[in-house]
Amino acid sequence: DAKTTQPPSMDCAEGRAANLPCNHSTISGNEYVYWYRQIHSQGPQYIIHGLKNNETNEMASLIITEDRKSSTLILPHATLRDTAVYYCIVRDTGNQFYFGTGTSLTVIP
Amino acid sequence: GAVVSQHPSRVICKSGTSVKIECRSLDFQATTMFWYRQFPKQSLMLMATSNEGSKATYEQGVEKDKFLINHASLTLSTLTVTSAHPEDSSFYICSAREGGAVGPTDTQYFGPGTRLTVL
Repeated sequence: DAKTTQPPSMDCAEGRAANLPCNHSTISGNEYVYWYRQIHSQGPQYIIHGLKNNETNEMASLIITEDRKSSTLILPHATLRDTAVYYCIVRDTGNQFYFGTGTSLTVIP
Repeated sequence: GAVVSQHPSRVICKSGTSVKIECRSLDFQATTMFWYRQFPKQSLMLMATSNEGSKATYEQGVEKDKFLINHASLTLSTLTVTSAHPEDSSFYICSAREGGAVGPTDTQYFGPGTRLTVL
């Protein structure tokens, strides 16, 4: 079962930062947080993952709270092509992904 | 790198027939592949975990005799939907995990999905 909860939908103005929250209060010490996004009728696309420290790559930044019970994915300058469903996933000890309902992000011109 | 392909991308079949979907890791070896199903406006649901050279592990509620999984090589896994019915119509997505060692940072890379419509 999914171990994460996310708001069902969010809007963001084009060019502004999109901050997508995720709660994972039952996360264990060695479980990683992964973020993927899915554009309509396509397979999920990997964005970023982390354990304890904040992470940044060319797509996004991941901020994980000190107690690891929540995290935020930041898209620094949202574009229309960032409109998608964003999934926050805690990978379980069996190395399997159980997807929650995700957040549908709409970037508005 | 880390590209996963699926074939076909779209298939329409008659009720009662069987359909095979292929999942390939193009530029890496994947000892573990996963199969998901996604109904309209819903999230992905994990169906089974496929390990190269061994039997797949199915999630609770998924019929192993209906959804046959074969993972005969490090770059190919197949899902066969046997005796398909209209309720099997769905978006089937595979993913592959790079590397042979089980490690917490192994990332899954997803295929583009296969749209199955059973008439």
